[in-house]
Amino acid sequence: DAGVTQSPTHLIKTRGQQVTLRCSPISGHKSVSWYQQVLGQGPQFIFQYYEKEERGRGNFPDRFSARQFPNYSSELNVNALLLGDSALYLCASSRSGTGLYEQYFGPGTRLTVT
Amino acid sequence: AQTVTQSQPEMSVQEAETVTLSCTYDTSESDYYLFWYKQPPSRQMILVIRQEAYKQQNATENRFSVNFQKAAKSFSLKISDSQLGDAAMYFCAYRTSENAGNMLTFGGGTRLMVKP
Repeated sequence: DAGVTQSPTHLIKTRGQQVTLRCSPISGHKSVSWYQQVLGQGPQFIFQYYEKEERGRGNFPDRFSARQFPNYSSELNVNALLLGDSALYLCASSRSGTGLYEQYFGPGTRLTVT
Repeated sequence: AQTVTQSQPEMSVQEAETVTLSCTYDTSESDYYLFWYKQPPSRQMILVIRQEAYKQQNATENRFSVNFQKAAKSFSLKISDSQLGDAAMYFCAYRTSENAGNMLTFGGGTRLMVKP
């Protein structure tokens, strides 16, 4: 089975623009979580979605939003980009919305805001 | 809120030697999970080992083992017979009990270098 896939791999945007990042979970996985990893730091939780509903949200401003589609893929949207949004954005999928199953991470999308 | 601290930004080990990475955490919960993740330069995060807080026995996965001290809130990772492929960033992570979502709280990471 294919692992978690994310697109695009790299992205360069200008301050004030909007960006959409995409994630496809492992087949059979219904939960997707998003993390932001600033260079030199550990990942920080942004959102969790399960069965198309938001199940958790980290301490991020409303400029960050996400959704999950019927096929369980997910999009992360960031509006009004700031320089500080430059980071590696990681997607992780798991079978359920609880912690019973392990999370598997994708390779990430590297976002650079100039 | 839970916090995870890794006090060693960088560690170095000779190939075939043993190294221990430190992690401490702060929580008021009694039921939780702890993890060590490896992030090689290719960036994909890989689960190395997990520990359930209710288990007294320390987890072991081949060359990787943990020293879980619940009262001290300490969770260190020991890598035996270090290999060049072990070079990576290592993150300690915390997750609350299984019925409360799967949000992970990560530490700041330790960069492990393996010398040939």
